[in-house]
Amino acid sequence: KQEVTQIPAALSVPEGENLVLNCSFTDSAIYNLQWFRQDPGKGLTSLLLIQSSQREQTSGRLNASLDKSSGRSTLYIAASQPGDSATYLCAVRGGATNKLIFGTGTLLAVQP
Amino acid sequence: DAGVIQSPRHEVTEMGQEVTLRCKPISGHNSLFWYRQTMMRGLELLIYFNNNVPIDDSGMPEDRFSAKMPNASFSTLKIQPSEPRDSAVYFCATTFGAADTQYFGPGTRLTVL
Repeated sequence: KQEVTQIPAALSVPEGENLVLNCSFTDSAIYNLQWFRQDPGKGLTSLLLIQSSQREQTSGRLNASLDKSSGRSTLYIAASQPGDSATYLCAVRGGATNKLIFGTGTLLAVQP
Repeated sequence: DAGVIQSPRHEVTEMGQEVTLRCKPISGHNSLFWYRQTMMRGLELLIYFNNNVPIDDSGMPEDRFSAKMPNASFSTLKIQPSEPRDSAVYFCATTFGAADTQYFGPGTRLTVL
C-alpha cells in the first residue's frame, strides 16, 4: 500500500529565504507526482506535475525534483514571499489507476 | 471556463438527515474524483468516475455513502443517514486524460450535528 509522507509538517521562514519541502513515498512504481498548494478554506491548486520519466519540473520560482528509485521528491521555492504562505501537498499516482495518494502536507508561513 | 463548481459551499445538518453534495466538472473533462479532507486523515479519495462510469469506489467509507454521475456535466455525492463523523470538507476534482493534472473545486464544508 502506497504511503506518502511530508516533512516538515510546518515551516516558518523570513521573507526572501530559499526553502525546500520534502515528500517521500513507499512504492516507487508511480505514474506521476504532483505538488499542490492549498490556501485556508480553499481548494487545491496544482503547482507542478512530474511524470515518472522526468527528473524535474520548473515554474517560475518553483522547482520540483523526482527521484523514483529512492522514493523522494522535493519542492524548492526560491526567494520566498509572504504570498507563498499556504499548505503544500504532494500526491503520487500509481501506475494502474488514476488514484492520487496524498501526503499530509507542509504548512508554510513566510514572515514579512 | 469557471472551473470545477461545487454546491453548496457550506452545509450544516443534523444527524440522521440526508445530505447531497453536487459537482459540475470543467467542460470536456472526462474523469471526476470525490475526495474527503479531515484533520485526522488528511485528503482521501472516495470514488472516481471515468466517462461517467464509476471506476473505483474502494474509498467510500460505508453503504451510507453513494455517488452518481448521470451525465458528463454533473455528479452527486449522497450521505444517508449522515453522522457527526462525516463532518469534513468534500472536494470534487476533474481531469482530462489519465496523465493530466487534476483541477479541484472549492469544496463543500459539511458539519453534521
